Amino acid sequence: AQSVSQHNHHVILSEAASLELGCNYSYGGTVNLFWYVQYPGQHLQLLLKYFSGDPLVKGIKGFEAEFIKSKFSFNLRKPSVQWSDTAEYFCAVNAQRSSYKLIFGSGTRLLVRP
Amino acid sequence: GAGVSQTPSNKVTEKGKYVELRCDPISGHTALYWYRQSLGQGPEFLIYFQGTGAADDSGLPNDRFFAVRPEGSVSTLKIQRTERGDSAVYLCASSAHGEEQFFGPGTRLTVL
Repeated sequence: AQSVSQHNHHVILSEAASLELGCNYSYGGTVNLFWYVQYPGQHLQLLLKYFSGDPLVKGIKGFEAEFIKSKFSFNLRKPSVQWSDTAEYFCAVNAQRSSYKLIFGSGTRLLVRP
Repeated sequence: GAGVSQTPSNKVTEKGKYVELRCDPISGHTALYWYRQSLGQGPEFLIYFQGTGAADDSGLPNDRFFAVRPEGSVSTLKIQRTERGDSAVYLCASSAHGEEQFFGPGTRLTVL
């Protein structure tokens, strides 16, 4: 069965620090990969996605993620976080040969201190 | 344009009761998904509709859960004989076929 692991459950950073959130998945076939964000009191929003092509994808608000197929990873990065990045971040995978359902990780709560 | 909407936003019910949760997808989106999110967890897939038919219902936990989408737009998730373990936020998402899923605000279900 497919699964997604997010190893950091809680991350606390100061503004301007760099961010990297880990995401690993278990599935041997071709996948689509996503990062979603949930700001306090808001619903899930797409940050970025990878379907094919350049493994380094850029999303909204200065976020980027790199797909490393050999490591089954899709880590999220941002060079300099802001207080407004405080949110919960979810990595998700869709196996291309299955239905379009998303398999989510358990999420990482990021707190950015001003 | 309007996003995905879900009603009610909150539902409190007693153990053993029947509940219906409604989802209005983005207009024109043919695919509709239901997920369930428990506290401290990521969303968990329940069922996926393509048009009026359930293309994948492998995530429904048992036969107390059922969902319909009779006209290929609005969907209703139905839970019979609710149990305390059904308490969660129920999320709906929609997409144009195979593309990004847009999520609604969710319905918080509390079973007392």
